[in-house]
Amino acid sequence: QVQLKQSGPGLVQPSQSLSITCTVSGFSLTSYGVHWVRQSPGKGLEWLGVIWRGGSTDYNAAFMSRLSITKDNSKSQVFFKMNSLQADDTAIYYCAKNFDGYYAMDYWGQGTSVTVSS
Amino acid sequence: NIVMTQSPKSMSMSVGERVTLSCKASENVGTYVSWYQQKPEQSPKLLIYGASNRYTGVPDRFTGSGSATDFTLTISSVQAEDLADYHCGQSYSYPWTFGGGTKLEIK
Repeated sequence: QVQLKQSGPGLVQPSQSLSITCTVSGFSLTSYGVHWVRQSPGKGLEWLGVIWRGGSTDYNAAFMSRLSITKDNSKSQVFFKMNSLQADDTAIYYCAKNFDGYYAMDYWGQGTSVTVSS
Repeated sequence: NIVMTQSPKSMSMSVGERVTLSCKASENVGTYVSWYQQKPEQSPKLLIYGASNRYTGVPDRFTGSGSATDFTLTISSVQAEDLADYHCGQSYSYPWTFGGGTKLEIK
């Protein structure tokens, strides 16, 4: 079955970078895109970016200067890296599989809760 | 960016009642709208895509409708397990954006 499992730190120091790995199973990264979405405490969802099956990326312009999404198809892993984190980047970060053909997200990872604090 | 506005922010309903959730886009997004259900302490789950298409396994009491700027999610007879936050989102243009969510409580 389709699964997305996330791994990454829970605590990040201000001005440091955040790296999360999303390891997928049940589908191939050469066939589906993977999105990244975050949810700040008590707030709505915020789309950060996507890496498509061919390797191209689209980013939320608000984060483009400090966000990088890459992948390793052979390892079924997608890598998320955001630089220069501040307190308002405290959130739960999710990876999610693109529902091909319909531009929605049909399977989500379990989320990585990230706190930015010294 | 396209702003998605959901209303109400919260609602409390009794089991068996009909529930209508609204989502309005700040500009025409066609039918590029999805609805997600997020139960407490869980990741979001896809309910509706393309404004009106029910995702695999979603109970038929959930119905999505609308186009252009006005969208609705209807639960025909709410059940206790429908306690959740409901999010609408547009994928018509970048960046994809979501509404602030509607919290559904069960009396």
